[in-house]
Amino acid sequence: AQSVTQLGSHVSVSEGALVLLRCNYSSSVPPYLFWYVQYPNQGLQLLLKYTSAATLVKGINGFEAEFKKSETSFHLTKPSAHMSDAAEYFCAVSQNSGYSTLTFGKGTMLLVSP
Amino acid sequence: EAGVAQSPRYKIIEKRQSVAFWCNPISGHATLYWYQQILGQGPKLLIQFQNNGVVDDSQLPKDRFSAERLKGVDSTLKIQPAKLEDSAVYLCASSLARSPGANVLTFGAGSRLTVL
Repeated sequence: AQSVTQLGSHVSVSEGALVLLRCNYSSSVPPYLFWYVQYPNQGLQLLLKYTSAATLVKGINGFEAEFKKSETSFHLTKPSAHMSDAAEYFCAVSQNSGYSTLTFGKGTMLLVSP
Repeated sequence: EAGVAQSPRYKIIEKRQSVAFWCNPISGHATLYWYQQILGQGPKLLIQFQNNGVVDDSQLPKDRFSAERLKGVDSTLKIQPAKLEDSAVYLCASSLARSPGANVLTFGAGSRLTVL
């Protein structure tokens, strides 16, 4: 079975500060890992994905994430937060075989203050 | 390319009534997914189609939920009868390949259901 745990249902940062959203995964086989963002009243949009190539993955809007197998983590970071980054962020995991489904974490709401 | 279309965007019904949601995936996407997103939680997979066949419906409450994908294109998700706990956003997504790892899921804006 596969699962992800997102630490912190809410994270607050000031504009210009570092963003760090935490995700730990559990998977019996090498996983694929994803970060999605959801703006109010919209569907989920892919930020970035890890598919066993480079461990540091760069995504859209200046976000990046690093796959650390030893820590079973895939934390999302951005050096400088912008007001437009305020949204809910979901970490997700799937297995690279068969009809693998995407399993989501509970999400972290990012709040950005001026 | 056009995105994943869903309708209606909002629906309010009384408990024990029925409701249906429609999804039109991106043209050429063979795999279609329905997710349920309850407030404060991450999306949970209800059913996954590969063309017009079901490949995973293990978390679909089959006593009240049903879904079909006629001709391997559009899909309909039905709830009958609805319960209060069915209040959620129902997200449809599609992808080219059957495994999410091989390709990216594109999500629609969702259909928000409120059961009173």
